[in-house]
Amino acid sequence: NAGVMQNPRHLVRRRGQEARLRCSPMKGHSHVYWYRQLPEEGLKFMVYLQKENIIDESGMPKERFSAEFPKEGPSILRIQQVVRGDSAAYFCASSPPVGLWGYEQFFGPGTRLTVL
Amino acid sequence: SQQGEEDPQALSIQEGENATMNCSYKTSINNLQWYRQNSGRGLVHLILIRSNEREKHSGRLRVTLDTSKKSSSLLITASRAADTASYFCATASGANSKLTFGKGITLSVRP
Repeated sequence: NAGVMQNPRHLVRRRGQEARLRCSPMKGHSHVYWYRQLPEEGLKFMVYLQKENIIDESGMPKERFSAEFPKEGPSILRIQQVVRGDSAAYFCASSPPVGLWGYEQFFGPGTRLTVL
Repeated sequence: SQQGEEDPQALSIQEGENATMNCSYKTSINNLQWYRQNSGRGLVHLILIRSNEREKHSGRLRVTLDTSKKSSSLLITASRAADTASYFCATASGANSKLTFGKGITLSVRP
């Protein structure tokens, strides 16, 4: 059973370009979360999705950022017109369906975005 | 706002010693999770403790949770050089809600 997969692992973009980050959850996991980590900081929540639904996007910047988790295929985090401040490590996590006490979130290796 | 606050921020110990890391949080939680992150890598899940549990063990790890004090501790016994990493506590307010992370503790284990 493969873990959470993210690609690309490293992504370099120039200011104004678009960045697309992909996440394939663990088999059997229907919940996907995206987090961002700035250097020397903890992770900050961005968005929580289930198949074809955004459940919580309270951590997502209002502009330029969007996320989807289609019925088929990976979850995508899209950043339009990137700026230098978007440079960070972006982590995806997945967990099994709802349980009363919650489940572990399993993290992928991350995508390190560098904006030149 | 930061929910989990770990302390100390950095800890340096000798191999074989025990390492204790603390985490405090502000609001009520459903569960609390501890993660390890090696430099430049992803997060590895260590242990989850539910709000109705007080203590949990996994190998050399022991986690306690005191919901009245809104605090948790992670004890690593008989530390090894390979335990050198950053450790984060993360809280979930609902069963499948987002995790709120602290800034992490940098643990260095000297061989």
